[in-house]
Amino acid sequence: QQPVQSPQAVILREGEDAVINCSSSKALYSVHWYRQKHGEAPVFLMILLKGGEQKGHDKISASFNEKKQQSSLYLTASQLSYSGTYFCGTSNAGGTSYGKLTFGQGTILTVHP
Amino acid sequence: NAGVTQTPKFQVLKTGQSMTLQCAQDMNHEYMSWYRQDPGMGLRLIHYSVGAGITDQGEVPNGYNVSRSTTEDFPLRLLSAAPSQTSVYFCASSYGVQGGIYEQYFGPGTRLTVT
Repeated sequence: QQPVQSPQAVILREGEDAVINCSSSKALYSVHWYRQKHGEAPVFLMILLKGGEQKGHDKISASFNEKKQQSSLYLTASQLSYSGTYFCGTSNAGGTSYGKLTFGQGTILTVHP
Repeated sequence: NAGVTQTPKFQVLKTGQSMTLQCAQDMNHEYMSWYRQDPGMGLRLIHYSVGAGITDQGEVPNGYNVSRSTTEDFPLRLLSAAPSQTSVYFCASSYGVQGGIYEQYFGPGTRLTVT
């Protein structure tokens, strides 16, 4: 089942902060975050694994609440280059189902000067 | 390294035609996947593979076939194209970690139009 992202869109001025949320109705093994600019392929930002391991981008952080099956992406001191659509992808453990990454509908982030 | 490559970049098909979208990676990744992305929508998983000879269905597998005979290649076959398959198709690859998949590297995409 597709994870739900909120908000659907965010408009910021440079230097402002933003939080994007991702929630699932199923128990999660991992949460991935990607950013996609118009006309381009998605680019990896962050992965959070069950058990607390986290790997990703220098200026972006994220949290993973396993009990609530939720993740949040924190963008601080936003830059113009942060503009794009942010997607979370979730996977469950077990068998080959760990390969089944299901993406949310995306959050459009626009940063103005 | 070329990363993940996809061919063709653009394709126009007539309803009922078949074709194969090519995807190759040179990073020795065990995991590969195909997604479709429709305007204003997220990425929907079509098929994926966790290694050579192993494939499984994603969310929207109907009308598509895959095979994985080598680690490097993961072609996607459209059996009989329909206008509903008009979309942008992305191939991605990753290495596995702790029983899951790690950072996915996406190819540049194939824009397919079915008339």
